[in-house]
Amino acid sequence: AQSVAQPEDQVNVAEGNPLTVKCTYSVSGNPYLFWYVQYPNRGLQFLLKYITGDNLVKGSYGFEAEFNKSQTSFHLKKPSALVSDSALYFCAVRVLTGGGNKLTFGTGTQLKVEL
Amino acid sequence: GAGVSQSPSNKVTEKGKDVELRCDPISGHTALYWYRQSLGQGLEFLIYFQGNSAPDKSGLPSDRFSAERTGGSVSTLTIQRTQQEDSAVYLCASSLFGAVNTGELFFGEGSRLTVL
Repeated sequence: AQSVAQPEDQVNVAEGNPLTVKCTYSVSGNPYLFWYVQYPNRGLQFLLKYITGDNLVKGSYGFEAEFNKSQTSFHLKKPSALVSDSALYFCAVRVLTGGGNKLTFGTGTQLKVEL
Repeated sequence: GAGVSQSPSNKVTEKGKDVELRCDPISGHTALYWYRQSLGQGLEFLIYFQGNSAPDKSGLPSDRFSAERTGGSVSTLTIQRTQQEDSAVYLCASSLFGAVNTGELFFGEGSRLTVL
C-alpha cells in the first residue's frame, strides 16, 4: 500500500534558524509527493509537490523539499524560520483509485517557531 | 466564491441525531473528496467522487455514513444516528480530473462536528 510517515509529532525551532520537517514514503512505482500546511482553524493549503525532475522542489512561503529516492524521503525545509510558520504540516502521497486518484496523508507534524 | 465552500462551519448535535454536511467544490472540478480529521488521528480518507459516482467509498467508517453528489457539483455527507466518536472536523476537497490532475487537492475550511 502507498503510504507516508512523519516520524515527529512536533518540531520546535527558533526564529531565524533553519527548519526541517521529515517525511518518508513507501510506494510502488514513481511517487507523487505533496506537502500541505494547516494554520489554526483553517483548511489545508498546498505548499509544494514533487512529480518528476529536479530533486529540490520550491514552493510557497519560502519552503522547499528535497526528494531522495535512495532514502525514500521527502523532507520539508526552510532556510530561516518565522514565527508565522508555526502550523501543522502534512506530507501526502498520491494513490491511484477508481480511475482517478486520492491523497493519503501522514499523521502531521506540529511546527512551533519561537522567538 | 473561488474556493471550496463548506457548511455549516460548526455543528453541535446530540447523540443519535442525524447530521448533513455540505460541500460546494471549485467550479469545473469534477473530482470531490471527503476527509475526516480527528484530534490526534491525522487525516482520514472517507470517499471520492468522480462526477456523480463514487468509485472509492473505502474510507466510510460504517453504514451510518453516506454521501451523495448531484449535478457533478454539490456534495452532501450524511451521518445517521451520530455517536460521540463521530466528533471531528470534516474536510472537503476538489480537484481537476484526468491527465492534468497530478493529484493536487484544494480544501475547504471544514465542518467541525461535535456530538454531545
